[in-house]
Amino acid sequence: KAGVTQTPRYLIKTRGQQVTLSCSPISGHRSVSWYQQTPGQGLQFLFEYFSETQRNKGNFPGRFSGRQFSNSRSEMNVSTLELGDSALYLCASSIAGVYNEQFFGPGTRLTVL
Amino acid sequence: GQQVMQIPQYQHVQEGEDFTTYCNSSTTLSNIQWYKQRPGGHPVFLIQLVKSGEVKKQKRLTFQFGEAKKNSSLHITATQTTDVGTYFCAGLVLTGGGNKLTFGTGTQLKVEL
Repeated sequence: KAGVTQTPRYLIKTRGQQVTLSCSPISGHRSVSWYQQTPGQGLQFLFEYFSETQRNKGNFPGRFSGRQFSNSRSEMNVSTLELGDSALYLCASSIAGVYNEQFFGPGTRLTVL
Repeated sequence: GQQVMQIPQYQHVQEGEDFTTYCNSSTTLSNIQWYKQRPGGHPVFLIQLVKSGEVKKQKRLTFQFGEAKKNSSLHITATQTTDVGTYFCAGLVLTGGGNKLTFGTGTQLKVEL
């Protein structure tokens, strides 16, 4: 069974730009969660989508948004990038949600200059 | 909001020594999950504990969930170089506003020969 895939793997943007990251979950998984990982803040929860609906949201500004498609693939968008948005963005899929084992993708390394 | 702290932040051990990381939550948890992230990799699920006082073993790894379901520990017996990585606990809280999985700050383990 193929694992969670994320594209792109690396991204360099400048302040003020916007970015879209993509996540394809494991086949059959309906829940996709997004996390931001930085050395200083650790792993912070952004949001969770289940069957195309945002089911849970972390404490991030409205510049961070996401969506999920009918095939469970998910995208995350960050608008008006700031230097502090530089991080590893991880998505994780699971069968039913955060109650279960989370399968993480390799992440997208975003650098904002 | 919910906070999950882990100690120690870093641990250097000689191969063959034991290692323990502790996880403490500010709120009572529904379950706790443990993940391992190798350097340059992504978090990989290790185990989930649900019951108060639960103890689970995986070869040299022993996981415990506290009686009050607010703390947990991971103990590795006779560490090996393959144990190198960062260990995260993740606490789940069920709320009316959605289930929240909060990751701990992580413990980075280095094993020296």
